[in-house]
Amino acid sequence: EAGVTQFPSHSVIEKGQTVTLRCDPISGHDNLYWYRRVMGKEIKFLLHFVKESKQDESGMPNNRFLAERTGGTYSTLKVQPAELEDSGVYFCASSRQAGIYEQYFGPGTRLTVT
Amino acid sequence: RKEVEQDPGPFNVPEGATVAFNCTYSNSASQSFFWYRQDCRKEPKLLMSVYSSGNEDGRFTAQLNRASQYISLLIRDSKLSDSATYLCVVSQNTGGFKTIFGAGTRLFVKA
Repeated sequence: EAGVTQFPSHSVIEKGQTVTLRCDPISGHDNLYWYRRVMGKEIKFLLHFVKESKQDESGMPNNRFLAERTGGTYSTLKVQPAELEDSGVYFCASSRQAGIYEQYFGPGTRLTVT
Repeated sequence: RKEVEQDPGPFNVPEGATVAFNCTYSNSASQSFFWYRQDCRKEPKLLMSVYSSGNEDGRFTAQLNRASQYISLLIRDSKLSDSATYLCVVSQNTGGFKTIFGAGTRLFVKA
């Protein structure tokens, strides 16, 4: 069974540009989560999808961030326009069910905004 | 105050030692509790879920005290391969599931 994959693994962009991160969850996992780890800080929850529906997006920092999961398969996280403080590692995770079930994490996308 | 607080670490222990990690959480409505392990520059991986009755998996024992809002992880007979960051994780049912991570406690096991 393939794990959670994320693309790209690294991205370096300039302030003001747009970046789109992609996450492919484990096949059959309806639940998909996005997280972010800023340098020196703890991993922060961004949002939770069940299939294509956003169940909790309370962690999204501001309206420069847009997450989508059309068709309930892969998900994208777009940052537009990027700011310096958006730099960090963006993790995606998926689980078959939510709550007490293990979340499987992807390797992360390291985003650097210069 | 952070929602999930852990021992700041790092912990430096010799092989064979027993080491205990502590974690507290602030939201009494939290429902699910976990310990994840994260190796340097890697993604977090589930070590074990934590149940109210306590649970054990080999050298690892996790405890949960809901009244005190306290979670612990005990590692016995530490191995070099146990060196990693240990993350206390709490999940809240918000309609969705919001997952809160502690900052992690770094463990170094030395020969």
